[in-house]
Amino acid sequence: ETGVTQSPTHLIKTRGQQVTLRCSSQSGHNTVSWYQQALGQGPQFIFQYYREEENGRGNFPPRFSGLQFPNYSSELNVNALELDDSALYLCASSTLTGGNGYTFGSGTRLTVV
Amino acid sequence: KNEVEQSPQNLTAQEGEFITINCSYSVGISALHWLQQHPGGGIVSLFMLSSGKKKHGRLIATINIQEKHSSLHITASHPRDSAVYICVLSLTPTGNQFYFGTGTSLTVIP
Repeated sequence: ETGVTQSPTHLIKTRGQQVTLRCSSQSGHNTVSWYQQALGQGPQFIFQYYREEENGRGNFPPRFSGLQFPNYSSELNVNALELDDSALYLCASSTLTGGNGYTFGSGTRLTVV
Repeated sequence: KNEVEQSPQNLTAQEGEFITINCSYSVGISALHWLQQHPGGGIVSLFMLSSGKKKHGRLIATINIQEKHSSLHITASHPRDSAVYICVLSLTPTGNQFYFGTGTSLTVIP
């Protein structure tokens, strides 16, 4: 599989709800990183998954959690959604060291109302 | 103080001009990435640098580890180069700690 696919592309949720975002991994990559980009700001690193384990985390609360599957695809779960969680969520696949570069998905735009 | 700073924040250029975007940082890094983000959010990874210089088409990226500085150059700029360019620090060899620059918004006018 070439490229990284994220789903859904757009999503509207109500405050307090839970959301699951999905990300495929490019063929040959075993690591997926997730980023949050609020409107008008740069991306912020949420966490990274390698071999189905969390392998690094940015400054995000525990209600942001993830999974990685044996095929290296990944999910980002956010519980108890807050209005400030409204953002573009990007994922990128790579090898562990990123030596062959990162391939980004097109993102999921989440709106919390 | 931000660990990574980009300049300029905004840049408008005429088509054909040579463009330079700068990234300065204050921490030890394993590698530095340059990303391109188009309107709508899609991100393309342009370069990953740990030393020296890399070239891809009209894009050139350089890094000086001693001076903690990197530059992204675009030669013969074109309107399709209009995007936000983001400098990203990778702090560890395993790539699990990142600092993102705030980005440089480039507009190339025909």
